[in-house]
Amino acid sequence: DIQMTQSPSTLSASVGERVTITCRASQSISRWLAWYQQKPGKAPKLLIYKASSLEGGVPPRFSGSGSGTEFTLTISSLQPDDFATYYCQQYISDLYSFGQGTKLEIK
Amino acid sequence: EVQLVESGGGLVRPGGSLTLSCVASGFTFDGYAMHWVRQAPGKGLESVSVIRASGGTHYADSVKGRFTIARHNSQNTLFLQMNSLRIEDTAVYYCAKDAQDGYSARGGFDYWGHGAQVTVSS
Repeated sequence: DIQMTQSPSTLSASVGERVTITCRASQSISRWLAWYQQKPGKAPKLLIYKASSLEGGVPPRFSGSGSGTEFTLTISSLQPDDFATYYCQQYISDLYSFGQGTKLEIK
Repeated sequence: EVQLVESGGGLVRPGGSLTLSCVASGFTFDGYAMHWVRQAPGKGLESVSVIRASGGTHYADSVKGRFTIARHNSQNTLFLQMNSLRIEDTAVYYCAKDAQDGYSARGGFDYWGHGAQVTVSS
């Protein structure tokens, strides 16, 4: 099984700041990685697929990079609507696995 | 407009059974893999099962032998039959559509249902 590990688990930041979340895979997943945003009581929302491709309708302040085993999600200038929990997910294996999540809190 | 609507959740005793359904609309259902993902209270996301467009299935080790995923393409419906339920199966269960269509480079889960609450308690 492919294990996905995110860091940090919690991140405190202010509106306007640039933040980066890291996701590491236990083995190479090439670029088969997605990022999601989840708000309390809601289903996750796909932000990025194939490591760096922005899903339609997602603001360009979100960007992704990486390949192999190390990936990052960057939000260039935090907006109030961005405070949520973020998950990475690999989709190369039979059953896709998620990272444990990063909660982005208002400082 | 793509929609995924789950039903069938509820309260069940340990050892009991429950079947979740997910009715899909707005896309060619039989052309995509479909997934069940769960989220225990206050926890992260866990992939539970997948059924490919071809009918192939895979399960998380935690549910293997107890849960069965199925699809009825003629009814645009995805199912998850859950037997021998345990307290640790308590979670919100989401059905999700795979974004991969075999043509584009898209991936991940592009549409999700609203979730069905399953509570296993005595």
